[in-house]
Amino acid sequence: DIQMNQSPSTLSASVGDRVTITCRASQSISSWLAWHQQKPGKAPKLLIYKASSLESGVPSRFSGSGSGTEFTLTISSLQPDDFATYYCQQYKSYALTFGGGTRVEIK
Amino acid sequence: EVQLVESGGDLVQPGGSLRLSCAASGFTFSDHYMDWVRQAPGKGLEWVGRSRNKANSYTTEYAASVKGRFTISRDDLRNSVYLQMNSLKTEDTAVYYCARADSSGYFEYWGQGTLVTVSS
Repeated sequence: DIQMNQSPSTLSASVGDRVTITCRASQSISSWLAWHQQKPGKAPKLLIYKASSLESGVPSRFSGSGSGTEFTLTISSLQPDDFATYYCQQYKSYALTFGGGTRVEIK
Repeated sequence: EVQLVESGGDLVQPGGSLRLSCAASGFTFSDHYMDWVRQAPGKGLEWVGRSRNKANSYTTEYAASVKGRFTISRDDLRNSVYLQMNSLKTEDTAVYYCARADSSGYFEYWGQGTLVTVSS
């Protein structure tokens, strides 16, 4: 299985900060990567697919980049609604796998 | 509006069985892949398995941790997908999410989840 490693596991930031989360794959996954946001007690929500394509309705402050084995999710100006846990997900091959998550908390 | 509503979660003893259901609405169900993803308490997300669509002969894929114990089926007339879970273990305790997947593989929409607790 392809292992997905996210860093950091926890990130403390303030409203207005630029935030970057990194996801590394154990082998090349081309651009077959998605990012999901999850708030406590809620279902995940798709933000980004194919590494950099913004899902419809997702604010433009979210962006994704990367290919091969290294990827980033950037929030250009953190808003109060963005405090949540973020997961990367590879869909290059089965078994589909997720990163361990990055919790973005209020500083 | 796409809606996915899971049901069937319960407390079950180790070695027992349980069947989860996911009712879909707001899209042409037979056109889409449907997946199950789980999340143990306080942990991350783990993919469980997939049912491909009619065009791909409803074939299935499973995570190694559940293969041989769990079975995914679907009923396109009822717009529903099911997860039959047998020989349950304590480590199967989790919230189980139903998700609609794009044919390339990522999860487009998620249900609200249903809790399965395996304990004696």
